[in-house]
Amino acid sequence: NAGVTQTPKFRILKIGQSMTLQCTQDMNHNYMYWYRQDPGMGLKLIYYSVGAGITDKGEVPNGYNVSRSTTEDFPLRLELAAPSQTSVYFCATLGHYQPQHFGDGTRLSIL
Amino acid sequence: KNEVEQSPQNLTAQEGEFITINCSYSVGISALHWLQQHPGGGIVSLFMLSSGKKKHGRLIATINIQEKHSSLHITASHPRDSAVYICAVPTGNQFYFGTGTSLTVIP
Repeated sequence: NAGVTQTPKFRILKIGQSMTLQCTQDMNHNYMYWYRQDPGMGLKLIYYSVGAGITDKGEVPNGYNVSRSTTEDFPLRLELAAPSQTSVYFCATLGHYQPQHFGDGTRLSIL
Repeated sequence: KNEVEQSPQNLTAQEGEFITINCSYSVGISALHWLQQHPGGGIVSLFMLSSGKKKHGRLIATINIQEKHSSLHITASHPRDSAVYICAVPTGNQFYFGTGTSLTVIP
C-alpha cells in the first residue's frame, strides 16, 4: 500500500500563476484534509472532505479550492498564487477509529 | 487562545535522559493524537489514545480526560528521537494542532 501520495514534492511558482497539488490515497478513507505548515507554526487546516462529493472550508481557505470526485483523490487548487501562499502543504486522511495518515508534503515557493 | 497548548516549545536533552512533553487542550474530545515530524520530513502518527496509557517501544503516552491533559514520554532518549512532536485533538470533522515541541537529543 502506498498510503497517501502527494505530488509534486517541490514547486516554485511565479506570482499570479496557478497550479494543482495532487493527493491520492489507497486506504479507502472517507476523511481527507489539506493543511499548510508555515515555518515555526502549527498545521492550519485549509479544506477538508468527509467523502466523495462533500468538501468544506477549514481555518484558512482563502486563495484555494478543492474538489472530491472520488474517494481516492483530493486535489488542492491555487488559482492566483501569492507570496503568502509559500508554505509546506500536507494532505492527510483519517479512517474510522484510526490515526491520521499524512503524505510527505509539497514544498511550494511563490516568487 | 489556542485550543491546544504544548510545552515546552523547545527541549534539548543529553542522550539517555527521560523526556516529557505536555499537551493541554480546551475542547471536548474523543481521542488525542501524538505526531512526530523529523526535520524536513513528513509527519507520522505515534499514538491515538482516548484514555489511560499507551506504550510503543521507548515511547509512552498518557491522557487524563477530566483534566484535559496528555503527556508524551521518551525513555532512554536517543539522537534519532530528535524531531518535532505535535499534539492534535479532533473536534467535529476537524483537528486542532499544537505548535509542536522541538526536541534535540545530543549524543
